Amino acid sequence: KAGVTQTPRYLIKTRGQQVTLSCSPISGHRSVSWYQQTPGQGLQFLFEYFSETQRNKGNFPGRFSGRQFSNSRSEMNVSTLELGDSALYLCASSVDTFSYEQYFGPGTRLTVT
Amino acid sequence: GDSVTQMEGPVTLSEEAFLTINCTYTATGYPSLFWYVQYPGEGLQLLLKATKADDKGSNKGFEATYRKETTSFHLEKGSVQVSDSAVYFCALRPGGGNKLTFGTGTQLKVEL
Repeated sequence: KAGVTQTPRYLIKTRGQQVTLSCSPISGHRSVSWYQQTPGQGLQFLFEYFSETQRNKGNFPGRFSGRQFSNSRSEMNVSTLELGDSALYLCASSVDTFSYEQYFGPGTRLTVT
Repeated sequence: GDSVTQMEGPVTLSEEAFLTINCTYTATGYPSLFWYVQYPGEGLQLLLKATKADDKGSNKGFEATYRKETTSFHLEKGSVQVSDSAVYFCALRPGGGNKLTFGTGTQLKVEL
């Protein structure tokens, strides 16, 4: 069974631009969560989607948004990029919103210049 | 709010040494506890979990016991290998939903 895939793997953007990251969960998984990993703040929860609905949200500004499609694939968008948005963005999938097992993708490395 | 505190790294050990990485947590209710491992250039992998007090999670020679009285979930391995070199994250999840709260991570380096 294929694992969680994230595209693109690496991305360089300029301040003020916007970016969209994509995550394809493991087949049959309906919950997708997003995390931001930085050296200073560590791993922080962004949001979780299940059945196309946002179920939980972390403490991030409204510039960070996401959505989930009917095939469970998810995208997250960051508008008006800031230097501090440079990070590794990780996606995790699980069967449902109560599953203990979350499987992480390799991440998208975003660099904002 | 929920929080996880784990020991600072890096931790450097010789191969076959005993490993302990301390983890304590603060949470309301009865969270589930996890250890994840991150190898260079990769995402996180679930190493082990415990879902209630006194549960012991184990995998690949690693163990951790959910101690509610001390709010701890320390990771141990009897004999580490060079291939165990990675960053280890302790995490908790409250009763519902998939939101994980992570510790800052502990880098482990195992030398021959």
